[in-house]
Amino acid sequence: GAGVSQSPSNKVTEKGKDVELRCDPISGHTALYWYRQSLGQGLEFLIYFQGNSAPDKSGLPSDRFSAERTGGSVSTLTIQRTQQEDSAVYLCASSLGQPQETQYFGPGTRLLVL
Amino acid sequence: GENVEQHPSTLSVQEGDSAVIKCTYSDSASNYFPWYKQELGKGPQLIIDIRSNVGEKKDQRIAVTLNKTAKHFSLHITETQPEDSAVYFCAASIGTYKYIFGTGTRLKVLA
Repeated sequence: GAGVSQSPSNKVTEKGKDVELRCDPISGHTALYWYRQSLGQGLEFLIYFQGNSAPDKSGLPSDRFSAERTGGSVSTLTIQRTQQEDSAVYLCASSLGQPQETQYFGPGTRLLVL
Repeated sequence: GENVEQHPSTLSVQEGDSAVIKCTYSDSASNYFPWYKQELGKGPQLIIDIRSNVGEKKDQRIAVTLNKTAKHFSLHITETQPEDSAVYFCAASIGTYKYIFGTGTRLKVLA
């Protein structure tokens, strides 16, 4: 079946511009995560959505970052006024939403801010 | 805050040899420890996991051990093959749904 998909796969933008990254989770998965992976680093938690509950935004690094999940499915991560340090791979994962459930990752969006 | 340390950052082994990657976690309440393999250009994929009520788990050539007292867990790959070459991440659960990831180990299996 279809896995987690993300778009675009690559994004090059100029400093100061806004970007939107999209994630389509696996159908039926109620939990959705966004992570940031910088070069040579591990996965940094950004935000977590579970069903209709209020999202856990504790990992967002600044107020330039925001995310929404419409209809409990597709999610968009928005970065406003991008900075060069925002350059990274942004990964989305989904799961069935139970504790200790396997997370299924998308291929990521590679963001480069010039 | 909570953290997970992972070593080594890079590891080269000859095909057929074993590889061991070690992680240490800080949150004594962590009770779930997944391992992910990430190939170039792809997202991480779960390869094995272990829960705190067991000390070891095996799946063919892959095994994970857990020492809760020392807060250590390790990934063991035996009879390595070139297709095992990838970046491996360990993770530890924080609460019911969050995870802290290690910084990754780049494994190279030399033919």
